[in-house]
Amino acid sequence: DIQMTQSPSSLSASVGDRVTITCRASQNINNYLNWYQQKPGKAPKLLIYAASSLQSGVPSRFSGSGSGTDFTLTISSLQPEDFATYCCQQSFRTPYSFGQGTRLEI
Amino acid sequence: QVQVQQWGAGLLKPSETLSLTCAVYGGSLSNYYWSWIRQPPGRGLEWIGEINLSGRSDYNPSLRSRVTISEDTSKNQLSLKLSALTAADTAVYYCARGVGWTQRFDYWGQGTLVTVSS
Repeated sequence: DIQMTQSPSSLSASVGDRVTITCRASQNINNYLNWYQQKPGKAPKLLIYAASSLQSGVPSRFSGSGSGTDFTLTISSLQPEDFATYCCQQSFRTPYSFGQGTRLEI
Repeated sequence: QVQVQQWGAGLLKPSETLSLTCAVYGGSLSNYYWSWIRQPPGRGLEWIGEINLSGRSDYNPSLRSRVTISEDTSKNQLSLKLSALTAADTAVYYCARGVGWTQRFDYWGQGTLVTVSS
């Protein structure tokens, strides 16, 4: 199975900050990497797919990069509604797997 | 606009079988892959399995012996059964649509908390 490791597990930041979250796969997954945002009590929301493609309706302050085993999610200027948990997911091979999540706090 | 609604029993006893249903409105079930995903309290997401365009299921090996995913295309519904429950199966269970070559999950049900306790 492919293991997904995110760092950091939590992050404190302020409105207007630029933040970067990292996701590493245990083997080459090309660009089969998706990013989700999850708020308490809610289902995950798709932000980025295929490592760098922005999902329709998602603000352009969100961006993704990477290929192979190392990927990043960047939020260029944090807004109050961005404080949430972010996780990555590999869709290269089943069983699909998720990172453990990064909690973004004020 | 696609809407996904799910339901099922929320409190079960050890050794019982979990049964959840997911209904799709505003779109066709049969044109997409559909997955079940769960999240234990305070923990990360775990993929349980999926049903593909041909109605064939693929399961996480960690759960394969206990799980069945099926569909009723006439009702536009998807179902999950997980047998021989233990406390470790306590989680929020989601159904989600997989789309495109990346199999990204773009539409999700609202989630169902299933608690396994004697």
